[in-house]
Amino acid sequence: GENVEQHPSTLSVQEGDSAVIKCTYSDSASNYFPWYKQELGKRPQLIIDIRSNVGEKKDQRIAVTLNKTAKHFSLHITETQPEDSAVYFCAASSGGSQGNLIFGKGTKLSVKP
Amino acid sequence: NAGVTQTPKFQVLKTGQSMTLQCAQDMNHEYMSWYRQDPGMGLRLIHYSVGAGITDQGEVPNGYNVSRSTTEDFPLRLLSAAPSQTSVYFCASSQGHRYGYTFGSGTRLTVV
Repeated sequence: GENVEQHPSTLSVQEGDSAVIKCTYSDSASNYFPWYKQELGKRPQLIIDIRSNVGEKKDQRIAVTLNKTAKHFSLHITETQPEDSAVYFCAASSGGSQGNLIFGKGTKLSVKP
Repeated sequence: NAGVTQTPKFQVLKTGQSMTLQCAQDMNHEYMSWYRQDPGMGLRLIHYSVGAGITDQGEVPNGYNVSRSTTEDFPLRLLSAAPSQTSVYFCASSQGHRYGYTFGSGTRLTVV
């Protein structure tokens, strides 16, 4: 089955700096890669996603890149703000018609004012 | 739309007791899943369903049962609770496997 590795587990940056979180996956048939943000005590919320026919996607200060050959994808947050502080999860969906979304273990991002 | 509704929000069980965590969605989503979240372990898939009458096991299915008799509902049953099942449980739904999941607000379960 699919295995998703996420690094780093914790990340601390100064406000205004950029943050990068990286994930690798094992199933070459995976074709959908979402990222979720979870604030303390809250539910995970989708912030951006990318499909296997696209190499990069951007939404304001966040962007995701996908390298299918190397089986890795990354989340980039520019001009970080204190409200970006949260746990971020990457995930990969198995190919075909399965609803099998497997998550990485998460990255705790702290943005210091 | 209420989205994904989970009940109860909190529950304490004694070892060996059984219970059902409820999950309902009003978005006509075909895909529904149950995850458990433990510190440092991320979100681990317990069971998932790609439509009414169709369920399958995820990464950590042991000790849990599911059924999907309607599109809207996807209950999770703990047949004989164990302390290892102490966790936060999230239900989620999606239009399909290439779309994002919408999560419920979670159920915090403690087994003593």
